[in-house]
Amino acid sequence: QQPVQSPQAVILREGEDAVINCSSSKALYSVHWYRQKHGEAPVFLMILLKGGEQKGHEKISASFNEKKQQSSLYLTASQLSYSGTYFCGTGGGNNRKLIWGLGTSLAVNP
Amino acid sequence: NAGVMQNPRHLVRRRGQEARLRCSPMKGHSHVYWYRQLPEEGLKFMVYLQKENIIDESGMPKERFSAEFPKEGPSILRIQQVVRGDSAAYFCASSPGPVNTEAFFGQGTRLTVV
Repeated sequence: QQPVQSPQAVILREGEDAVINCSSSKALYSVHWYRQKHGEAPVFLMILLKGGEQKGHEKISASFNEKKQQSSLYLTASQLSYSGTYFCGTGGGNNRKLIWGLGTSLAVNP
Repeated sequence: NAGVMQNPRHLVRRRGQEARLRCSPMKGHSHVYWYRQLPEEGLKFMVYLQKENIIDESGMPKERFSAEFPKEGPSILRIQQVVRGDSAAYFCASSPGPVNTEAFFGQGTRLTVV
Protein backbone atom coordinates (compact mmCIF):
# COMPACT_ATOMS: atom_id res chain seq x y z
CA GLN A 1 0.00 0.00 0.00
CA GLN A 2 2.97 2.29 0.51
CA PRO A 3 3.64 4.29 -2.67
CA VAL A 4 6.91 3.60 -4.45
CA GLN A 5 9.14 6.53 -5.24
CA SER A 6 11.79 6.51 -7.92
CA PRO A 7 14.60 7.14 -8.20
CA GLN A 8 15.80 6.66 -4.63
CA ALA A 9 18.51 9.27 -5.06
CA VAL A 10 19.51 11.88 -7.61
CA ILE A 11 22.60 14.03 -7.93
CA LEU A 12 22.38 17.10 -10.12
CA ARG A 13 24.52 20.01 -11.11
CA GLU A 14 22.93 23.40 -10.67
CA GLY A 15 20.68 24.19 -13.60
CA GLU A 16 19.89 20.58 -14.52
CA ASP A 17 16.41 19.07 -14.51
CA ALA A 18 15.02 16.10 -12.62
CA VAL A 19 11.82 14.08 -12.48
CA ILE A 20 10.70 12.23 -9.36
CA ASN A 21 8.00 9.60 -9.66
CA CYS A 22 5.46 8.23 -7.21
CA SER A 23 3.46 5.10 -7.99
CA SER A 24 0.70 3.39 -6.06
CA SER A 25 -0.93 -0.01 -6.34
CA LYS A 26 -4.21 1.45 -5.09
CA ALA A 27 -6.65 3.85 -6.69
CA LEU A 28 -5.68 7.38 -5.79
CA TYR A 29 -7.75 10.41 -4.97
CA SER A 30 -4.85 12.73 -4.20
CA VAL A 31 -1.08 12.99 -4.25
CA HIS A 32 0.82 15.34 -1.95
CA TRP A 33 4.44 16.38 -2.43
CA TYR A 34 6.69 17.69 0.33
CA ARG A 35 10.40 18.45 0.61
CA GLN A 36 12.36 17.88 3.79
CA LYS A 37 15.85 19.13 4.52
CA HIS A 38 17.99 17.25 7.00
CA GLY A 39 16.84 17.88 10.55
CA GLU A 40 13.96 20.09 9.48
CA ALA A 41 10.22 19.83 9.05
CA PRO A 42 8.71 18.74 5.73
CA VAL A 43 7.58 21.69 3.63
CA PHE A 44 4.54 21.64 1.36
CA LEU A 45 5.12 21.74 -2.39
CA MET A 46 2.01 20.55 -4.22
CA ILE A 47 -1.30 18.75 -3.95
CA LEU A 48 -2.80 17.06 -7.00
CA LEU A 49 -6.39 15.90 -6.85
CA LYS A 50 -8.35 13.46 -8.94
CA GLY A 51 -10.09 15.44 -11.63
CA GLY A 52 -7.15 17.66 -12.36
CA GLU A 53 -7.18 20.25 -9.61
CA GLN A 54 -3.75 21.32 -8.41
CA LYS A 55 -2.69 23.42 -5.46
CA GLY A 56 0.91 24.41 -5.19
CA HIS A 57 3.71 26.84 -5.78
CA GLU A 58 4.47 28.56 -9.04
CA LYS A 59 7.96 27.17 -9.57
CA ILE A 60 6.98 23.54 -9.03
CA SER A 61 5.09 21.48 -11.56
CA ALA A 62 3.70 17.99 -11.32
CA SER A 63 1.42 15.59 -13.10
CA PHE A 64 -1.13 13.08 -11.85
CA ASN A 65 -2.06 10.13 -14.04
CA GLU A 66 -5.18 8.68 -12.43
CA LYS A 67 -5.33 5.64 -14.71
CA LYS A 68 -1.73 4.66 -14.01
CA GLN A 69 -2.05 5.65 -10.35
CA GLN A 70 1.11 7.66 -10.45
CA SER A 71 2.41 11.18 -10.12
CA SER A 72 5.58 12.89 -11.27
CA LEU A 73 7.25 15.97 -9.83
CA TYR A 74 9.23 18.09 -12.27
CA LEU A 75 12.17 20.13 -11.05
CA THR A 76 13.56 22.38 -13.76
CA ALA A 77 16.66 24.54 -13.73
CA SER A 78 17.56 23.18 -10.31
CA GLN A 79 19.01 25.44 -7.65
CA LEU A 80 21.16 24.58 -4.65
CA SER A 81 18.13 25.19 -2.44
CA TYR A 82 16.31 22.29 -4.11
CA SER A 83 18.48 19.81 -2.23
CA GLY A 84 16.63 17.65 0.24
CA THR A 85 14.44 14.59 0.42
CA TYR A 86 11.21 14.64 -1.53
CA PHE A 87 8.26 12.67 -0.20
CA CYS A 88 4.99 11.85 -1.85
CA GLY A 89 1.92 11.08 0.21
CA THR A 90 -1.05 9.37 -1.38
CA GLY A 91 -4.66 9.59 -0.32
CA GLY A 92 -7.65 7.47 -1.07
CA GLY A 93 -11.16 8.84 -1.18
CA ASN A 94 -11.84 8.35 2.50
CA ASN A 95 -10.36 11.74 3.29
CA ARG A 96 -8.66 10.53 6.44
CA LYS A 97 -4.94 9.97 6.11
CA LEU A 98 -2.00 9.90 3.75
CA ILE A 99 0.36 7.01 3.12
CA TRP A 100 3.91 8.21 2.51
CA GLY A 101 6.66 6.91 0.26
CA LEU A 102 10.21 6.39 1.51
CA GLY A 103 11.47 9.52 -0.19
CA THR A 104 13.83 10.54 -2.98
CA SER A 105 17.06 12.17 -1.93
CA LEU A 106 18.08 15.04 -4.21
CA ALA A 107 21.48 16.71 -4.06
CA VAL A 108 22.19 19.74 -6.20
CA ASN A 109 25.86 20.61 -6.51
CA PRO A 110 27.43 23.82 -7.82
CA ASN B 1 0.72 33.95 12.41
CA ALA B 2 3.09 31.58 14.13
CA GLY B 3 3.71 28.23 12.54
CA VAL B 4 3.06 24.85 14.09
CA MET B 5 4.88 24.71 17.41
CA GLN B 6 6.14 21.49 18.87
CA ASN B 7 7.85 21.08 22.18
CA PRO B 8 10.14 19.96 23.41
CA ARG B 9 12.47 19.79 20.39
CA HIS B 10 14.55 17.11 22.06
CA LEU B 11 13.43 14.74 24.78
CA VAL B 12 15.48 12.10 26.56
CA ARG B 13 13.71 9.47 28.62
CA ARG B 14 14.87 6.38 30.45
CA ARG B 15 13.18 3.10 29.66
CA GLY B 16 9.91 2.83 31.53
CA GLN B 17 9.31 6.58 31.84
CA GLU B 18 6.54 8.53 30.17
CA ALA B 19 7.01 10.91 27.26
CA ARG B 20 4.64 13.78 26.53
CA LEU B 21 4.94 15.53 23.20
CA ARG B 22 3.05 18.75 22.58
CA CYS B 23 1.81 20.29 19.36
CA SER B 24 0.17 23.70 19.02
CA PRO B 25 -1.39 23.95 15.57
CA MET B 26 -1.45 27.09 13.48
CA LYS B 27 -4.16 29.57 14.39
CA GLY B 28 -7.44 28.59 12.81
CA HIS B 29 -6.39 24.99 12.18
CA SER B 30 -8.59 22.35 13.77
CA HIS B 31 -7.07 19.28 12.10
CA VAL B 32 -3.92 17.72 13.57
CA TYR B 33 -1.90 14.74 12.37
CA TRP B 34 0.92 12.98 14.20
CA TYR B 35 3.67 11.16 12.34
CA ARG B 36 6.70 9.17 13.35
CA GLN B 37 9.92 9.17 11.37
CA LEU B 38 12.96 6.96 11.76
CA PRO B 39 16.34 8.02 10.28
CA GLU B 40 16.46 7.66 6.49
CA GLU B 41 12.81 6.60 6.39
CA GLY B 42 9.55 8.19 5.42
CA LEU B 43 6.75 9.48 7.58
CA LYS B 44 4.54 6.91 9.27
CA PHE B 45 1.00 8.06 10.00
CA MET B 46 -0.02 7.61 13.62
CA VAL B 47 -3.22 9.49 14.35
CA TYR B 48 -5.55 12.16 12.96
CA LEU B 49 -7.50 14.35 15.35
CA GLN B 50 -10.02 17.09 14.90
CA LYS B 51 -10.72 19.19 17.96
CA GLU B 52 -11.65 16.84 20.82
CA ASN B 53 -12.21 13.93 18.43
CA ILE B 54 -9.97 11.13 17.23
CA ILE B 55 -10.83 10.66 13.57
CA ASP B 56 -8.35 7.93 12.68
CA GLU B 57 -5.89 6.20 14.99
CA SER B 58 -5.10 3.24 12.79
CA GLY B 59 -1.37 4.00 12.88
CA MET B 60 -1.09 4.08 16.66
CA PRO B 61 0.25 1.07 18.54
CA LYS B 62 -2.55 -0.44 20.60
CA GLU B 63 -0.70 -0.18 23.86
CA ARG B 64 1.23 2.61 25.59
CA PHE B 65 0.39 5.29 22.99
CA SER B 66 -2.44 7.79 23.23
CA ALA B 67 -3.28 11.15 21.72
CA GLU B 68 -5.66 13.96 22.51
CA PHE B 69 -6.58 17.35 21.14
CA PRO B 70 -8.60 19.17 23.80
CA LYS B 71 -10.90 22.08 23.18
CA GLU B 72 -8.34 24.37 24.76
CA GLY B 73 -4.61 23.84 24.57
CA PRO B 74 -2.21 21.85 22.43
CA SER B 75 -2.53 18.36 21.08
CA ILE B 76 -0.64 15.84 23.20
CA LEU B 77 0.96 12.59 22.10
CA ARG B 78 1.62 10.46 25.16
CA ILE B 79 3.88 7.44 25.27
CA GLN B 80 3.83 5.44 28.47
CA GLN B 81 6.59 3.11 29.65
CA VAL B 82 8.89 4.03 26.78
CA VAL B 83 11.19 1.45 25.24
CA ARG B 84 14.31 1.89 23.08
CA GLY B 85 12.28 1.21 19.94
CA ASP B 86 10.23 4.36 20.59
CA SER B 87 13.27 6.50 19.79
CA ALA B 88 12.39 8.50 16.69
CA ALA B 89 11.40 11.93 15.45
CA TYR B 90 7.74 12.70 15.99
CA PHE B 91 6.18 15.32 13.76
CA CYS B 92 2.80 16.91 13.96
CA ALA B 93 1.08 18.73 11.13
CA SER B 94 -1.99 20.93 11.13
CA SER B 95 -4.38 21.98 8.42
CA PRO B 96 -7.50 24.13 8.21
CA GLY B 97 -9.49 21.34 6.58
CA PRO B 98 -9.49 17.60 5.94
CA VAL B 99 -6.57 15.74 4.45
CA ASN B 100 -6.71 17.20 0.95
CA THR B 101 -5.65 20.64 2.03
CA GLU B 102 -2.13 21.96 2.58
CA ALA B 103 -0.68 20.79 5.87
CA PHE B 104 1.97 22.63 7.84
CA PHE B 105 4.50 20.66 9.83
CA GLY B 106 6.13 21.49 13.12
CA GLN B 107 9.89 21.13 13.66
CA GLY B 108 9.42 17.79 15.34
CA THR B 109 10.34 16.30 18.70
CA ARG B 110 13.32 13.99 18.71
CA LEU B 111 12.77 11.37 21.37
CA THR B 112 15.71 9.36 22.62
CA VAL B 113 15.13 6.51 25.00
CA VAL B 114 18.20 5.48 26.99
